[in-house]
Amino acid sequence: QKEVEQNSGPLSVPEGAIASLNCTYSDRGSQSFFWYRQYSGKSPELIMFIYSNGDKEDGRFTAQLNKASQYVSLLIRDSQPSDSATYLCAVAISGFQKLVFGTGTRLLVSP
Amino acid sequence: DTGVSQDPRHKITKRGQNVTFRCDPISEHNRLYWYRQTLGQGPEFLTYFQNEAQLEKSRLLSDRFSAERPKGSFSTLEIQRTEQGDSAMYLCASSFTGVGSPLHFGNGTRLTVT
Repeated sequence: QKEVEQNSGPLSVPEGAIASLNCTYSDRGSQSFFWYRQYSGKSPELIMFIYSNGDKEDGRFTAQLNKASQYVSLLIRDSQPSDSATYLCAVAISGFQKLVFGTGTRLLVSP
Repeated sequence: DTGVSQDPRHKITKRGQNVTFRCDPISEHNRLYWYRQTLGQGPEFLTYFQNEAQLEKSRLLSDRFSAERPKGSFSTLEIQRTEQGDSAMYLCASSFTGVGSPLHFGNGTRLTVT
């Protein structure tokens, strides 16, 4: 079982819709969770991080964490074509001072 | 620009040659990480430093790879006797100390081994 798993996609949504990106992780002791956005050929850019169960909102982005289910998600409201990118989920695995990344989900927002 | 800086942006080399990459982290950050990313995959951890100490190195990292951070500021990653399988994007990131501190990435160095 991979430490961090994401559906590779692509996830296609129309402009203005809500995009829902999901991630599961294997280490029950993990405490910190991150979402990065990566445009083709570019480096990952931090979007949000979440440490506590529940929701965290920042503009059009909402991160949701459910530690019991070992599940973290990212919602993008009012999706724009400029949101088209690969979204990487990263988890700080307990006991390790590093982030482990999933393979990313490719999001396509059509005008 | 006070972000993470990497040099060069692109490197093309022939198999068997040695290459060296440089990373300048955000000045307030005392942690520096190297990751590698291939097409369709997420970044894969290689190694990290806290100040000048290299605290962890991936078991997947070949002995041909070596990293240094001599004064706790910039870092270099050297690959000796490059192989075609080394072709990838090499990403440097920095962060504050503390489990779960967000990593901030540089623009990366894209290595192509011919």
